[in-house]
Amino acid sequence: DIVMTQTPLSLSVTPGQPASISCKSSQSLLHSDGKTYLYWYLQKPGQSPQLLIYEVSSRFSGVPDRFSGSGSGTDFTLKISRVEAEDVGVYYCMQGIHLPPTFGQGTKVEIK
Amino acid sequence: EVQLVESGGGLVKPGGSLRLSCAASGFTFSSYSMNWVRQAPGKGLEWVSSISSSSSYIYYADSVKGRFTISRDNAKNSLYLQMNSLRAEDTAVYYCARSPYYGDYVDYWGQGTLVTVSS
Repeated sequence: DIVMTQTPLSLSVTPGQPASISCKSSQSLLHSDGKTYLYWYLQKPGQSPQLLIYEVSSRFSGVPDRFSGSGSGTDFTLKISRVEAEDVGVYYCMQGIHLPPTFGQGTKVEIK
Repeated sequence: EVQLVESGGGLVKPGGSLRLSCAASGFTFSSYSMNWVRQAPGKGLEWVSSISSSSSYIYYADSVKGRFTISRDNAKNSLYLQMNSLRAEDTAVYYCARSPYYGDYVDYWGQGTLVTVSS
């Protein structure tokens, strides 16, 4: 199985400040079809996960533009340009190039 | 609006069985692959099983292979997970999750149903 490694595992951010989460995969997530199968999810406290970003950098429907994704191959980053109180929770990266899809350990984001 | 509503969770003794159900609405169920993903208390996410739109392709994680069976009824817009020979390590919230394609990412998740395996 592909191993996904996130850093940091926790982050405390002042509202209005930026935040960044790194995700590294044990194998390239670039498929021969040209797509890179890397996704980002946010699990807010007491809720199920919700999709934020698909295929590295495309925002899912309704996701604010303060969220952005970047990267290629095995190294990826999720950035929040200005953190808001509603952004607290655990962020997971996930690879979808090979079954089973595997998740990073999660990064817990808290507000200072 | 896409809705996925799980049911069937509860407390079961080790070695016991449970059947989870997921009722889908707000989309054409028969056009999507479906999955079960679980989360042990305080832990991360683990992919459990996937089934393609027509049930032609099925995947199981090694941790549940031979014990769990995924199925779907497109006429009833429903997904199922039959869980046998349950172990303490199967204790988790089980999420029903939709994928645009088999083996692909999840775009919508249910609210989850808690399965507790304990004597």
